[in-house]
Amino acid sequence: DGGITQSPKYLFRKEGQNVTLSCEQNLNHDAMYWYRQDPGQGLRLIYYSQIVNDFQKGDIAEGYSVSREKKESFPLTVTSAQKNPTAFYLCASSMGQGGEKLFFGSGTQLSVL
Amino acid sequence: AQSVTQLDSQVPVFEEAPVELRCNYSSSVSVYLFWYVQYPNQGLQLLLKYLSGSTLVESINGFEAEFNKSQTSFHLRKPSVHISDTAEYFCAVSAAHRYGGSQGNLIFGKGTKLSVKP
Repeated sequence: DGGITQSPKYLFRKEGQNVTLSCEQNLNHDAMYWYRQDPGQGLRLIYYSQIVNDFQKGDIAEGYSVSREKKESFPLTVTSAQKNPTAFYLCASSMGQGGEKLFFGSGTQLSVL
Repeated sequence: AQSVTQLDSQVPVFEEAPVELRCNYSSSVSVYLFWYVQYPNQGLQLLLKYLSGSTLVESINGFEAEFNKSQTSFHLRKPSVHISDTAEYFCAVSAAHRYGGSQGNLIFGKGTKLSVKP
């Protein structure tokens, strides 16, 4: 089945630790996105990539990093510089570069120990 | 730049009652509008979208939304809700490219939690 796979479903981070969230898609989509979801705040864009080896900062990129070495993969690293990392992280992809219809993964819940 | 306002953070209704989830947007250019639904502990799924043409759009599970340009609204409605409609609903907007297709990224509202009670 085609779709987007995020792993792990739950992740715990210790103080000062970097953690990486995985996002893989087999839809052959060009564009991929990372959103952070906090209760009552909706979705906020962290980073997006419209093509391999290129990515742009979203609205809340500080404390995060990404890479896009392969079309199907867009991992997100939550660095120690992100002081409030506890949130639900959603990865998405779209066919074109405009994001008309986003396909979402099932999310990763990140918590701080 | 575009923005989206969902006026109600929570909407409780009884089963089989009608419901309206409100969404207003602001934009200096033409827009595309979307409603996404999120069931508990899951990602978002596209419910319906307005790109062009008829201002009334429908989903396969009985929801509909009407694009009202003069009021800059895209309210979501269903005449009779079911328990299974309990979820969080997000309105989203993107700028429409003059040559077709959208440009930029989707801007999401803060969501409305629909709670359907028996």
